[in-house]
This record gives sequence, C-alpha cells and structure tokens, in this order.
Amino acid sequence: ETGVTQTPRHLVMGMTNKKSLKCEQHLGHNAMYWYKQSAKKPLELMFVYSLEERVENNSVPSRFSPECPNSSHLFLHLHTLQPEDSALYLCASSQSGGGGSETQYFGPGTRLLVL
Amino acid sequence: QKEVEQDPGPLSVPEGAIVSLNCTYSNSAFQYFMWYRQYSRKGPELLMYTYSSGNKEDGRFTAQVDKSSKYISLFIRDSQPSDSATYLCAMSEGGGGSYIPTFGRGTSLIVHP
Repeated sequence: ETGVTQTPRHLVMGMTNKKSLKCEQHLGHNAMYWYKQSAKKPLELMFVYSLEERVENNSVPSRFSPECPNSSHLFLHLHTLQPEDSALYLCASSQSGGGGSETQYFGPGTRLLVL
Repeated sequence: QKEVEQDPGPLSVPEGAIVSLNCTYSNSAFQYFMWYRQYSRKGPELLMYTYSSGNKEDGRFTAQVDKSSKYISLFIRDSQPSDSATYLCAMSEGGGGSYIPTFGRGTSLIVHP
C-alpha cells in the first residue's frame, strides 16, 4: 500500500443517503486530489486542493462536496447521488501542487455503488 | 480528438514475451510523461517517470518518449504473470502550464503462463 489511505473501501448507498469518503496522506504532501474512475474511461479529475485551498473544480455536480480541513486530510461528501455515480473514487496526493511535474501517489480507492 | 489516446486492449501475451504499450497525444506542451500500473481493486502506482524526449530504463521496464511524433511507449521485457494489470499513461505540461496530469484510459495487459 502507498502512504495514502482511503475509507471506506466499499460503499453501497441509496439515492437519498448522505455519506462521506475519507482520504488521509502520510507523505507530507501539500496537494490532494479526488478522481472518479469508471469502467473503460480515463481517470476524471474532480477536485484539486493545494495547501488546503481548492484550486480546481472540473465542473463536478453539486451533489459532490469536497472538504480539506488540513493538508493531510481530504473528504468527499456525497448526497442524493445517481446510479451513474457508481464508480471507483480515488484520492491522490502530490508534493507541492505547482511548479514542475507533480508525481501523484494514489490511495486504493473507494468502490461506490449507488442503488 | 481526445487529448491522450490509449488502446484499452486487452492485450494478452505469453509469459516471457516483450510487451509494448503505447499512447499518443495532441498537446505539444506536454513535457512530463508517466506510466502507472493499476492492479485489480487497487489504486494506480507510479511505474516510470520521464521528462522530455528519450529513453529511461528501470529493470525490465523501458519508457520511451518521441515528442516529435507525440508518441510514448512502455516496453516490458521477459513479461511475467505478475505484470498482469492495467497500465495508464499520463502526461503534464509542468513549468508555467498545468502541472495536473492528463491520463489515458489505460491498457489491460494479461500475461498467461
């Protein structure tokens, strides 16, 4: 496993539920990311936080709400999701969130199923 | 046209074969090129990282970048069943451009004994 952990690993929820995904990085990085990975599609960047400030939001629906209380923790709050939101949600971190290339380190992901 | 094109496969090879995985791209500003390996039910892990054109070798793995053709490759020599995974290419501009990588959709590789 990498220095990025995610909980829960699996989640089943109904469309009216509210749940949260948690990510924690132990690498001393300053940038954190949420990605969505669906079958046969490229990784879709959802949110980027650098030094706890959101720097990018790729037109994600408001039913997904991120929270970054500090540089080690990242949350993704979910509410009134749709079945098409079922996917693997990956968290990643990188050193600084700017400048040269940012090598990203990924967590194991949360497999989400929306019924 | 997608920014990064990668054949999803699956690519099935016998153990010991040389594997060639490829990506093409359209953004000439990309300078940093990465290959990630993703096992089933796991997150991607960085395998190779290359800056600009040229080759980079690490054990059985060789990454090759041809910026003039906008084409990158990952070669795996003496492939093993444990190499069976999905391989994702990723690239970014870096510098004054976007540092956030753009990913290909991944190629599924199966190495059978």
